[in-house]
Amino acid sequence: EAGVVQSPRYKIIEKKQPVAFWCNPISGHNTLYWYLQNLGQGPELLIRYENEEAVDDSQLPKDRFSAERLKGVDSTLKIQPAELGDSAVYLCASSSGLAGGPSTDTQYFGPGTRLTVL
Amino acid sequence: ILNVEQSPQSLHVQEGDSTNFTCSFPSSNFYALHWYRWETAKSPEALFVMTLNGDEKKKGRISATLNTKEGYSYLYIKGSQPEDSATYLCAFQGGSEKLVFGKGTKLTVNP
Repeated sequence: EAGVVQSPRYKIIEKKQPVAFWCNPISGHNTLYWYLQNLGQGPELLIRYENEEAVDDSQLPKDRFSAERLKGVDSTLKIQPAELGDSAVYLCASSSGLAGGPSTDTQYFGPGTRLTVL
Repeated sequence: ILNVEQSPQSLHVQEGDSTNFTCSFPSSNFYALHWYRWETAKSPEALFVMTLNGDEKKKGRISATLNTKEGYSYLYIKGSQPEDSATYLCAFQGGSEKLVFGKGTKLTVNP
């Protein structure tokens, strides 16, 4: 079974340019997460989806970041415009989300997109 | 603000050595503690999900213990191999789906 797929793996852009990351979760997984990992830090949650609904986006900087999961499957995270401080690894994860409430479901991660803003 | 601390930050051991590192987390509102291994250029890989005080889990040469009353978990690697070189992350889960990660322990095993 394929794991979580992310693309691109690496992206280099100039500041003020837009950028988008794509994630395809494990088939059948209802819950999808986007995390940000800055150098030397642990991953930090940006947004969590239950199917197509964003149920926790409290950490998403909404002035420049947006995300969507239109059909409850794959998801796109966008930054517009990018700033130098956005250079980081953007990780996508998914879990089964069948419990319908807090659970200890394992979150399965993709390999991440490493963004460099020049 | 939830504080999840991991120590040491980095560790160099020789092949065959056994090693361990620590994850400290809040002892209140505990739901679960997750351990991940993250090799360079790969996806973070789930190792353990631990929920009960006193839990011990094992996967090959890697094992983990959990103390929820004092808020710590240990990860042990017996007979380290070069392929164990990775960053080991712990994540605290407190009553929601949200994981709060530590900064990780970077392990390098020299042949």
